[in-house]
Amino acid sequence: NAGVTQTPKFQVLKTGQSMTLQCAQDMNHNSMYWYRQDPGMGLRLIYYSASEGTTDKGEVPNGYNVSRLNKREFSLRLESAAPSQTSVYFCASSTTGTGEAFFGQGTRLTVV
Amino acid sequence: GDSVTQMEGPVTLSEEAFLTINCTYTATGYPSLFWYVQYPGEGLQLLLKATKADDKGSNKGFEATYRKETTSFHLEKGSVQVSDSAVYFCARSTDSWGKLQFGAGTQVVVTP
Repeated sequence: NAGVTQTPKFQVLKTGQSMTLQCAQDMNHNSMYWYRQDPGMGLRLIYYSASEGTTDKGEVPNGYNVSRLNKREFSLRLESAAPSQTSVYFCASSTTGTGEAFFGQGTRLTVV
Repeated sequence: GDSVTQMEGPVTLSEEAFLTINCTYTATGYPSLFWYVQYPGEGLQLLLKATKADDKGSNKGFEATYRKETTSFHLEKGSVQVSDSAVYFCARSTDSWGKLQFGAGTQVVVTP
């Protein structure tokens, strides 16, 4: 089982550049999430999608957009990257409401 | 606002030592509580969970009990192994959609 697959694993961007982080899950989960992990702060929710066709903001949505392309895929876009967006990004999925999330391996993004 | 607080690390232990990682939370109502573990270079994995007061979650020799009176969910293991070296995150559910609020994480280092 692949579980949750994220691409790319590493990325370096220059300030102002854009990019899209891809995420796909093969567990038929309804809910998908994007978190960022920063030292000393744990994981913070950027956006989530409770089901195909719906998305909503989390705790730290500024500077990001998302697309729930279909039930499997949930992408995160940085339109104009800033150094403050240097972080490790995790995609996760779960059966709606359980809190039992399955995480991808993460994308380490550096914005210079 | 509501929060999850866990002890700072790193926690360094010898193999076969007893491990405790403290976690407390503030929240309205009675959230579900979780411990997630992150091994080096990987995403988070669910370690154990408890959904109501006095529930005990257990897995791989780890245990945690949901204490409503002290709003705590401390993680314990009686005899750690080198393979338990990881970062441990306490988390609570924030709603019925499976969104999670994480603590800052505690790094555990087990030496032979």
